[in-house]
Amino acid sequence: GAGVSQSPSNKVTEKGKDVELRCDPISGHTALYWYRQSLGQGLEFLIYFQGNSAPDKSGLPSDRFSAERTGGSVSTLTIQRTQQEDSAVYLCASSVPSGGPAGELFFGEGSRLTVL
Amino acid sequence: AQKITQTQPGMFVQEKEAVTLDCTYDTSDPSYGLFWYKQPSSGEMIFLIYQGSYDQQNATEGRYSLNFQKARKSANLVISASQLGDSAMYFCAMRENSGYSTLTFGKGTMLLVSP
Repeated sequence: GAGVSQSPSNKVTEKGKDVELRCDPISGHTALYWYRQSLGQGLEFLIYFQGNSAPDKSGLPSDRFSAERTGGSVSTLTIQRTQQEDSAVYLCASSVPSGGPAGELFFGEGSRLTVL
Repeated sequence: AQKITQTQPGMFVQEKEAVTLDCTYDTSDPSYGLFWYKQPSSGEMIFLIYQGSYDQQNATEGRYSLNFQKARKSANLVISASQLGDSAMYFCAMRENSGYSTLTFGKGTMLLVSP
């Protein structure tokens, strides 16, 4: 597809279960980002990938959160032992790094996670 | 300290009027970029406009313009001739040129356009 693709679009899980969220960036975009947006709130940065490496993991809220990216393309965000406060929309974005500050992020439609 | 501050949680404007959404930022990096995104109720994030710190002129994109005041560290979004479809959440964001390219977002301003 032409845009950033995320799956699942909706996920309902029970507290304590593990979940995986997937992001397929725009072809050729080497930079990939995960953000979290709680209801009515702004975007909280989680992790940034350049290629397969993650130079900035500073936003991951706890060690229950991890992410990987393989082949410089698809990324998976894993949340272990989910808690109710993990309920949010998880947004993935990709971009083409320009070597400077320009270059907008292209966002997917998000994965809405609800932890019961 | 917050890097992006949007002090207006909500704004109201009548159709066809202009509206300014405020954004101030904090950085010591001389090279940085400022972005505005629109998020309608559908949830998608739509890129609107970009301003680089070294750009001499204010950025414009159709009905959107960015009032960039570097000394005051402000990057306000001006929407001219508001339309009902402009009702949405608006986010200001910044990328510092510090070796990697994370965007830091403000908390957003909800704009409601009335007929």
